[in-house]
Amino acid sequence: NAGVTQTPKFQVLKTGQSMTLQCAQDMNHNSMYWYRQDPGMGLRLIYYSASEGTTDKGEVPNGYNVSRLNKREFSLRLESAAPSQTSVYFCASSEGGATQHFGDGTRLSIL
Amino acid sequence: AQSVTQLGSHVSVSEGALVLLRCNYSSSVPPYLFWYVQYPNQGLQLLLKYTTGATLVKGINGFEAEFKKSETSFHLTKPSAHMSDAAEYFCAVITSGSNYQLIWGAGTKLIIKP
Repeated sequence: NAGVTQTPKFQVLKTGQSMTLQCAQDMNHNSMYWYRQDPGMGLRLIYYSASEGTTDKGEVPNGYNVSRLNKREFSLRLESAAPSQTSVYFCASSEGGATQHFGDGTRLSIL
Repeated sequence: AQSVTQLGSHVSVSEGALVLLRCNYSSSVPPYLFWYVQYPNQGLQLLLKYTTGATLVKGINGFEAEFKKSETSFHLTKPSAHMSDAAEYFCAVITSGSNYQLIWGAGTKLIIKP
């Protein structure tokens, strides 16, 4: 039972490069989320998708875009990476108000 | 606006001692409350949650938490700490909006001394 799968697990980018973080869930959940985790700040919501075909901004959306490709997949794109986007990124999924299930994260460093 | 405050970014206890991690929330409507645990280099796992009903909630690994509405608290406890409990713990509250977004505390790192 894979749950929520994130790729890649680690990535180093140079300032200005672009990349897409992939997330897929196999639990048939309607809702999916992207968070970033920085020391001492807990988790901050970047974007979420309440259902297939919809996306909404969270607390810290600037510099990011998302695509809800289908019910299973929700990708996060950095168009022009900046050092301030160095972080650990987590994808999660849930059904309604129930528990959010998390992937293992992508550790992203931007030089 | 809803918020979550976790008292203490680091808590250190001896193996076998009581674990108490504090969480206070603010919410204008009855909240759903969660505790998650994060082990090093892993994602977050649900420890326990309160939605409605019994205010003392039991979770995995011997943890429990009590919802106290009058104190707006949801503190996490475990009677006897184990070395394997060393991790970071996050308290979260669900928003009153329709999309069930979680509001997160900053986290408390639990250190277990041998």
